[in-house]
Amino acid sequence: GAGVSQSPRYKVAKRGQDVALRCDPISGHVSLFWYQQALGQGPEFLTYFQNEAQLDKSGLPSDRFFAERPEGSVSTLKIQRTQQEDSAVYLCASSLASSSEVAYEQYFGPGTRLTVT
Amino acid sequence: GQNIDQPTEMTATEGAIVQINCTYQTSGFNGLFWYQQHAGEAPTFLSYNVLDGLEEKGRFSSFLSRSKGYSYLLLKELQMKDSASYLCAVRDEDYQLIWGAGTKLIIKP
Repeated sequence: GAGVSQSPRYKVAKRGQDVALRCDPISGHVSLFWYQQALGQGPEFLTYFQNEAQLDKSGLPSDRFFAERPEGSVSTLKIQRTQQEDSAVYLCASSLASSSEVAYEQYFGPGTRLTVT
Repeated sequence: GQNIDQPTEMTATEGAIVQINCTYQTSGFNGLFWYQQHAGEAPTFLSYNVLDGLEEKGRFSSFLSRSKGYSYLLLKELQMKDSASYLCAVRDEDYQLIWGAGTKLIIKP
């Protein structure tokens, strides 16, 4: 079956430009996560959705970052007025279970590599 | 603050055994995960520990000691394809995953 897909795979944006990153989770997966991963580092949590509800957005670094999942499936991460420090790989992950259930694993998409020039 | 510590890099020989350690200090504990990440690719799930002890899955095993805030991932019969980064992640009291920076494992023939 299809895994998690993300688009675009690569995005180059000029500083100040707005970008939108898309995530298509595995069908039927309740939970969806966005992470930011810098080179040589582990993923850093950005935000979490359970179905269409954004339950945790504590990791979003500034109010320039906004995420939505209006119908509980596809999600979009939007970054307004991009800055150079936003350059990173943005990973999306989905899970069949909610985050508080005992043993759940997250399935990751291939990521979007964002470069802000 | 919350902290996950792993060695930055390790080198091992094809066919050998390697142990990758992870120590953690988190607000609460609701399980520990190991993921494998090849360069330029997404992390893939390897193992999950929530109780103390050893979980074995083929060539890979993962151990947890909650009292010591310690886990290790043991890889046996190393193959060249095992060259990757290995990420340790702990689920805290808010059920949020806290990730280590990863251990880059280099396998030499």
